[in-house]
Parts: sequence; C-alpha cells; structure tokens
Amino acid sequence: GEEVAQTPKHLVRGEGQKAKLYCAPIKGHSYVFWYQQVLKNEFKFLISFQNENVFDETGMPKERFSAKCLPNSPCSLEIQATKLEDSAVYFCASSQLSRLAGRTDTQYFGPGTRLTVL
Amino acid sequence: DAKTTQPPSMDCAEGRAANLPCNHSTISGNEYVYWYRQIHSQGPQYIIHGLKNNETNEMASLIITEDRKSSTLVLPHATLRDTAVYYCIVGHWAGNMLTFGGGTRLMVKP
Repeated sequence: GEEVAQTPKHLVRGEGQKAKLYCAPIKGHSYVFWYQQVLKNEFKFLISFQNENVFDETGMPKERFSAKCLPNSPCSLEIQATKLEDSAVYFCASSQLSRLAGRTDTQYFGPGTRLTVL
Repeated sequence: DAKTTQPPSMDCAEGRAANLPCNHSTISGNEYVYWYRQIHSQGPQYIIHGLKNNETNEMASLIITEDRKSSTLVLPHATLRDTAVYYCIVGHWAGNMLTFGGGTRLMVKP
C-alpha cells in the first residue's frame, strides 16, 4: 500500500496480559522501525528491521518485548506480561533501501496503536 | 547522532510565515536535517529534509546555514491546520533510527 498501516488502533490490556501490535509497511520498503511515545512529545526507538532481519535492536527492552518481520506477513511487536508503564502509543515507520551512496530515504510513519494497560 | 535544540513553543498568526529554528551544532558531514510534525496524536508526518543546500517542496522550505550548525523551517503561509509539534532531527541514511527531541509546539492563531 501507499501508507503504513497499523492495527489495532486501540488496545486495552489488563496488567500481565499479552499485547500484539501489527504493522504493514509501504509496499517496496525494506526497513521497518518501531517507536514508543509515552508522553506527548517523547519518542523512544525500539527496534528496526531490514526485510526480515533485525537491523538495530538497541532500544528494545530485553525482557517481555519481541518483534518479527516475516515475509508476506505484517510485522509484529509483542509485549508479554504487560505492565502499567507500557501504556503508550506505538508507531511503526518504514523506508526504502538507499541505492546510492550518501542518499537517505525518508521514514514514513503509520497512525500508531494506542496501548492502555489497566 | 547529533542532538538538536528547538524552542519549546511558538505562536504564528494565520496567513503569516512561520519560521521555526533549530540548532544542531554537532552535526557531522554526512548527516541530514529532517523535519517532521505531529498533529495532535497522529503519526509523525514527514515535511522536508536537506543536507547542505536549501530545499523547498509543496509544504515548506528548509534553510540550512553555510556551516550547517543551524536550520530554519519556513511555512510560508501558516494555516490553523499547521498547528502541531514540529521536530527537527539530524541523522543519516535509511537504516538508522530517528532521534526525536522535544520539538516546537507551533500554535497558529486566527
């Protein structure tokens, strides 16, 4: 598609439950990124993929969080045993592969999934 | 990635130009300057990016100083729908994450 799609739009979970979020990148884009926005202006990078391979996972909490990008499937971000502090909006972004040295390609963001942990 | 500094908030009258400044004094030679905005709680929207030269597109203009240590995003005729938080980000190539700072909350007033 021409836009990054994220589902669901809203997700409510009780503390300790599992949450799974989905992202369909723009068709033809090789990179997928996940960001977490807890307070209004604060974004935290979680993880990125180049196709189905993890590219950068330096922002990913070691416990409870996992992510996948499998061929012909939406990418997913899963939180096992959610905690209150996981309440946030989770954004997915995608970008093309830079084919020219020194080129940069823009990250395009989806509308986000608002996770509320009660 | 280089850090950016932006004023936390700005006001602009509808129909006037909005000039949003950004300092990025530690930018390295291969890092681009990106501008995004977030309207309410929507996903960040790409506006424009540049490396050295000034850039213009249908949304805005980006003016980068010769030493590349600062830049200005110009919205030539601000409308109420331009009210948003504007983020200036520096970074390089497609695979790297974007590091968002606090941004500038632009309020366009009638």
